[in-house]
Amino acid sequence: NAGVTQTPKFQVLKTGQSMTLQCAQDMNHEYMSWYRQDPGMGLRLIHYSVGAGITDQGEVPNGYNVSRSTTEDFPLRLLSAAPSQTSVYFCASSFQGGTEAFFGQGTRLTVV
Amino acid sequence: KNEVEQSPQNLTAQEGEFITINCSYSVGISALHWLQQHPGGGIVSLFMLSSGKKKHGRLIATINIQEKHSSLHITASHPRDSAVYICAVNGNQFYFGTGTSLTVIP
Repeated sequence: NAGVTQTPKFQVLKTGQSMTLQCAQDMNHEYMSWYRQDPGMGLRLIHYSVGAGITDQGEVPNGYNVSRSTTEDFPLRLLSAAPSQTSVYFCASSFQGGTEAFFGQGTRLTVV
Repeated sequence: KNEVEQSPQNLTAQEGEFITINCSYSVGISALHWLQQHPGGGIVSLFMLSSGKKKHGRLIATINIQEKHSSLHITASHPRDSAVYICAVNGNQFYFGTGTSLTVIP
């Protein structure tokens, strides 16, 4: 049981490049989500999914895409990276309805 | 709008002191979480509460659903407790506080 596996841990991108942050969980959780963490702000929800084939936007979705083809995987795609997307990104998963959340180790992304 | 407010934002304590971190929220919730984040590290869940009180070692978490308030207490604080403590609630989605940065000095 590996929990939530998030890769990569660090990434530097040039403006305009694209990339995918990977997130996988092996706990059969329905709910998966992506957050960004910026200094002085709480974690902000980018996108979330309540099950395979279902995704929805969070508070700050612009510039990001997600898909949920399987229960286990929830990748986050940056289509054309911008310096404003420099942040630390966390993936999380849980069962629906107020259960413990499990977080990935985080990805520190720098866009230059 | 901040659905979750934490106080204080920063806290410095001497080793051995009793520490309290407060969390207030404004949305209906099914559960409240206390999370810990070490510098450069990931986020781990300390507690999940829907009522009452929970204790784990030197950490105690309480919640008052009527007042929409929770507290995290650390007894006999230790330098290894230095971290950011984050309050989060399950509403129709997760809402997070901005965190309390705790430094415990030997």
